[in-house]
Amino acid sequence: GAVVSQHPSWVICKSGTSVKIECRSLDFQATTMFWYRQFPKQSLMLMATSNEGSKATYEQGVEKDKFLINHASLTLSTLTVTSAHPEDSSFYICSASRGGVYNEQFFGPGTRLTVL
Amino acid sequence: GEDVEQSLFLSVREGDSSVINCTYTDSSSTYLYWYKQEPGAGLQLLTYIFSNMDMKQDQRLTVLLNKKDKHLSLRIADTQTGDSAIYFCAELGGGADGLTFGKGTHLIIQP
Repeated sequence: GAVVSQHPSWVICKSGTSVKIECRSLDFQATTMFWYRQFPKQSLMLMATSNEGSKATYEQGVEKDKFLINHASLTLSTLTVTSAHPEDSSFYICSASRGGVYNEQFFGPGTRLTVL
Repeated sequence: GEDVEQSLFLSVREGDSSVINCTYTDSSSTYLYWYKQEPGAGLQLLTYIFSNMDMKQDQRLTVLLNKKDKHLSLRIADTQTGDSAIYFCAELGGGADGLTFGKGTHLIIQP
């Protein structure tokens, strides 16, 4: 149980276009979803925290208008990279938490974004 | 594929040292990380170690790496109630640029 999927697993797009990445909790309801970004050979950095039905909380330095996060249901959160540029190329990972006493977090497999 | 294993729970008394262990399978790991997740929050990077190091110390935190046995540990000295969290071990493989995480160890502090 507790499986998190992401779609697409990889995407290549032209500079200036927008890209949407989906994060789904397949067999549980996620009260909170997190979006992370990982630059090549570097660690994972938290971008934002989203709770179902409310606005996402962004970490310092993350542009809200650039990285739009929607958490419309308890099983789906989306990250839209707007007007993508080559510097947005990265590995984006989501995780989902179902709350409870220990509030475990389950990670998706990640999405590789390459902007040409 | 790569695999990272951790114990699910660790219970310690306040003031004692906590030692959280992690094993991994990828022999080409370049970096190994410890992340902390407090209730309701996302992951925060605690510390990391290069694969060519044996030990790294940062205030109350000591990371030990046994590359031969593919064993990583995190020692927290003088454990406090604020240390109660889930601790994730993660490794960065040599060829890939994605992290492989363990499932996390719940650190429970007893008064």
